Amino acid sequence: GESVGLHLPTLSVQEGDNSIINCAYSNSASDYFIWYKQESGKGPQFIIDIRSNMDKRQGQRVTVLLNKTVKHLSLQIAATQPGDSAVYFCAESPARTGNQFYFGTGTSLTVIP
Amino acid sequence: KAGVTQTPRYLIKTRGQQVTLSCSPISGHRSVSWYQQTPGQGLQFLFEYFSETQRNKGNFPGRFSGRQFSNSRSEMNVSTLELGDSALYLCASSYGTLGYEQYFGPGTRLTVT
Repeated sequence: GESVGLHLPTLSVQEGDNSIINCAYSNSASDYFIWYKQESGKGPQFIIDIRSNMDKRQGQRVTVLLNKTVKHLSLQIAATQPGDSAVYFCAESPARTGNQFYFGTGTSLTVIP
Repeated sequence: KAGVTQTPRYLIKTRGQQVTLSCSPISGHRSVSWYQQTPGQGLQFLFEYFSETQRNKGNFPGRFSGRQFSNSRSEMNVSTLELGDSALYLCASSYGTLGYEQYFGPGTRLTVT
C-alpha cells in the first residue's frame, strides 16, 4: 500500500534565541542516548550523547537533559544560529544490544534570521 | 581523521535485481552498523557487525544481508529488489559495540524502479 510520511514535529525559533527539542523514548532498559542533526542530503551528524547514569551533559552550545522517570530527553541549543536549521533525532540503545539504536521520528528546526 | 565513507552515493536499480553497497568506517573503528531511512518508516536498524561477526539484526527480511572484512570495511547486499527498498541506506561506525559514539556516513540513495 501507499506509505504515509512520518509526522515530523516542527520548531521555529528566532536567530539568537535558545531552542529546546524534546524526545520521548520507549524502552526503560535503554541506557545510552545520542542526539543527531541531519541536514538535507546528508547523513546524521553526532551532536552529543548521554548515559543513563547521568541527568545532564553539556557540550559546545548544546545541553542534553535526561529524565529516566518519565523516559524523556531534551536537547537545548543556546544562541541558535541559521546553520542549526536541520532535523534533529534522538536515538536510544537498550542495554547489552550493542550498537542497535532506535531512532525517534525527528524534529525539524527552522531558524529565522 | 577521515569520516565514514559510503559508495556509491546514488544507485538506480530495477525490481528483481540485486545490489551491493559498501562502507568504510573511521580508522580504528571496528563496529559497523547499517540503517535504512525512508519517509514512511524513518531510520530503522538493519544489522551490526563487529570483528567480522554479525552481532545484532533488525527486523528485515532475509533478502538483506551483510558482511564485514578483516579491515572493518563492510558491505550490505539486497537481493531481489522491491520498489519498497527505495531508501537512503546509512552506515555508521563506532570504536566498540557497547556505549560508544556512533558516526554516520553520507548514505547511499537507492532508487528501485
